[in-house]
Amino acid sequence: DAGVIQSPRHEVTEMGQEVTLRCKPISGHNSLFWYRQTMMRGLELLIYFNNNVPIDDSGMPEDRFSAKMPNASFSTLKIQPSEPRDSAVYFCASSLASPSEAFFGQGTRLTVV
Amino acid sequence: DQQVKQNSPSLSVQEGRISILNCDYTNSMFDYFLWYKKYPAEGPTFLISISSIKDKNEDGRFTVFLNKSAKHLSLHIVPSQPGDSAVYFCAAGMYSSASKIIFGSGTRLSIRP
Repeated sequence: DAGVIQSPRHEVTEMGQEVTLRCKPISGHNSLFWYRQTMMRGLELLIYFNNNVPIDDSGMPEDRFSAKMPNASFSTLKIQPSEPRDSAVYFCASSLASPSEAFFGQGTRLTVV
Repeated sequence: DQQVKQNSPSLSVQEGRISILNCDYTNSMFDYFLWYKKYPAEGPTFLISISSIKDKNEDGRFTVFLNKSAKHLSLHIVPSQPGDSAVYFCAAGMYSSASKIIFGSGTRLSIRP
C-alpha cells in the first residue's frame, strides 16, 4: 500500500480564494483525520470521520472550513475564503478502529498571501 | 483547553546519552497513549504506544513510562543517536471515541555529537 496520499504537496494562493486539499486514506482504514500544524499550536485536530461519517468537527476553526468524505477512499478539506492566518501544514491521517496508531500523509503546505 | 501538553518545546542531548521527553494530560478517561516522531517535510510516524492499564512499554532503545496518578508519561531514548533528532509528539486516545487521537504541541529533540 502506498500509504496516505495527500495532494497537492504545496499550495500558494491569494487571500479570498478557495482552497481544496485532498486525501486518499489507506485502504481498509475506517477512521480519517484532518490535522493542522502551526508553530504556535502544534498539531491540532480539525475533524475526524469514522466510516465516512463526521464524528467530531469541533476543531474546525470557523465556517470558512468544511470537510467531506463522500466515500471510504477520498476526503477533502475546503477553505473558502482563505485568509493569511490559514497558512500552515495540513495533514491527513487514517487508522483502523481503535486502539490503533494513525498513519499520516506527507502533508500539504498551504501559504495564503 | 489543551488535554495533552508537552511543556518543553525543545531538548538538546549529547549522542550516546539518554533523552527523556515528557508529556502531561488532563483527561483521566484516556485509554491509550502514543508517541510519534516527525522529520522536516514529512508526516508524523508512529513510534511506540502504551495502554492505560500498563506502566511501561519497551521497544528497543525506546521506552515509554506511564504514571496515571500524576497524569504523566515520558519517552526514554537510550542511547540517543543522531537520527533521533526530530520533533516528538505525545498523543492520547479513548476506545469509546472511535479512534479520536489528541496530540500535544511537540518537543524538538536535537542530538549533538
